[in-house]
Parts: sequence; C-alpha cells; structure tokens
Amino acid sequence: AQSVAQPEDQVNVAEGNPLTVKCTYSVSGNPYLFWYVQYPNRGLQFLLKYITGDNLVKGSYGFEAEFNKSQTSFHLKKPSALVSDSALYFCAVRDVLGSQGNLIFGKGTKLSVKP
Amino acid sequence: DGGITQSPKYLFRKEGQNVTLSCEQNLNHDAMYWYRQDPGQGLRLIYYSQIVNDFQKGDIAEGYSVSREKKESFPLTVTSAQKNPTAFYLCASSIRRERNNEQFFGPGTRLTVL
Repeated sequence: AQSVAQPEDQVNVAEGNPLTVKCTYSVSGNPYLFWYVQYPNRGLQFLLKYITGDNLVKGSYGFEAEFNKSQTSFHLKKPSALVSDSALYFCAVRDVLGSQGNLIFGKGTKLSVKP
Repeated sequence: DGGITQSPKYLFRKEGQNVTLSCEQNLNHDAMYWYRQDPGQGLRLIYYSQIVNDFQKGDIAEGYSVSREKKESFPLTVTSAQKNPTAFYLCASSIRRERNNEQFFGPGTRLTVL
C-alpha cells in the first residue's frame, strides 16, 4: 500500500541556519513526489515536485528537495532559514503504477524558525 | 486574477443540519478534489471529479455528497449523516488527474458543529 511518513511532528531551526524536513515514502512502483506548505488557516501552496530526472529538485522560495531512491526519501531543504518560513509542511506521493493516482499526504511537519 | 475560491471562510452548523461548501475555480482545470484536514492527520480525500457530471468517492466519502454540473464549480454538502463534521475543508484542482500534475488549493472553509 502507498504511504508517506513525516517522522518529525515539529522542527525547530534558528534563522540563518540550514533546515531539513524529512519525508519517506512507500509505493509499489516509481513515485511522483510533492511538497506543499500551509500557513495558518490557509490552503496549501505547491513548493516543488519530483517526477523523473535530476535527484535534486529546486522549487519556490529557495526550497529544494533531494530524491533518494535507495532510502525511499524526499527530504525538503533550504540553505538558510527565514522566520517567514515558519509553517506546516506536507509531503505527498502518487504511485506511478497505481490505478487511482490519488495523492497520499503525510501528516505534516510544523517548522518553527526563531530569530 | 486566477485561482480557487472557497466560501464561506467560516461556517457554523447545528447538529442535524445539512450545509453546502462552495468551491469555484477559474483555472480551466478539469479535475477537482475535496479534502478534509484534522489536526495531526494530514489531508484525507473525500471526493474527486475528473470531468463535468462525473465524480468518485475518496477515502472518507460517508456523510458527504458532491455535484459537478459545471467545470468551474464543485460544491460539497456535509449531511447530517456525517457524525464528526467539525474540520477544515480544502478544495483543490489540477489540469487533469494525471499523476505528474500538481494540485492547486483554495483557502479553505472551517466548519464547526455547535
């Protein structure tokens, strides 16, 4: 069965430091992977996606993510965190071979960036 | 200004009442979705539609109903059969329901049962 795990409920980072938000997945075939961000009481905003090709994907607001097939991971990264990056981050996966093709979301990781 | 709009932003319902949440998009997207978000549980799919006059149940469709009479609109009705309807509801759309297409989300409706 398809699944996505975000092992950390919360990540705390000091402003200016690098940040990593972890995501691992389980699918039967090759995955399509997505990261979204949600600010309080708002909808989700798309950050980036991995479909195929280069394992390092660059997205919006300086974020990037690294696809690692052997570790079944798709961690979100940013070299220098901003206070304004504080939000809830969701990883999602679609199974290439799955008949439904629906997005499966992780439970979310709350990122807190302190000045 | 293209995008997805949801209304109302906040909605209060008495037990036993049906309520309808609005979702409109002007992105010319074929596919539309409804999700429910509860704290610590991520997003769960309620219903989705790939084309006008067609829709499919998601993972938690019980107690909900939808219609897709127009490409731009995908309203969700929360019926009295939904036992725990208090949640944040998110509507989304994508160009097509193909696996590499990202979904775009509306701002959400927070439903509270009194």
